[in-house]
Amino acid sequence: DQQVKQNSPSLSVQEGRISILNCDYTNSMFDYFLWYKKYPAEGPTFLISISSIKDKNEDGRFTVFLNKSAKHLSLHIVPSQPGDSAVYFCAVNAGGTSYGKLTFGQGTILTVHP
Amino acid sequence: EAEVAQSPRYKITEKSQAVAFWCDPISGHATLYWYRQILGQGPELLVQFQDESVVDDSQLPKDRFSAERLKGVDSTLKIQPAELGDSAMYLCASSLDRGQYFGPGTRLLVL
Repeated sequence: DQQVKQNSPSLSVQEGRISILNCDYTNSMFDYFLWYKKYPAEGPTFLISISSIKDKNEDGRFTVFLNKSAKHLSLHIVPSQPGDSAVYFCAVNAGGTSYGKLTFGQGTILTVHP
Repeated sequence: EAEVAQSPRYKITEKSQAVAFWCDPISGHATLYWYRQILGQGPELLVQFQDESVVDDSQLPKDRFSAERLKGVDSTLKIQPAELGDSAMYLCASSLDRGQYFGPGTRLLVL
């Protein structure tokens, strides 16, 4: 059973436009959410996170939105740049006895065209 | 900027051989994780350490995989014997709180 799903395997966007990456989860116990970016042959790089007590967190060009009732989070990148081309993973954590343990989605390949 | 170190970066081995991966977390990070990532999928947790103690190894195939963090700092993940299906990226991460910081990974190819 996949607890975290990224239903779009890939996304293609023009430079300067908005990129929107989506993630759905099933367990309402998840209370901390993160986005990572991964280039080939490198480890994932932490981008941005959000706690369940918030519905939006912003850091420069990156904004994460959380809709708890829909169990959905999204990452907005504005404006998109060619260097943003990478695989993006969402990850979730339940806290409590699972504190720190992350469950990842399958990833979305973002391609930003010049 | 402090980073998680891993070695080797690449490893090619034949099935039934033993392989070992090393990880040095960010200084001061008490929690250390080993993940396996198969191409096209997200990282999957193999084992989690808090200092030198194993917190979660429920997804570690214990018949062939072992992990240790003897002094609560660096860690070693071992596979013996390696199987074809073990070909993957092995990632190490460390954390102080709920955000994890990953190393560059070890790409393993089992022939």
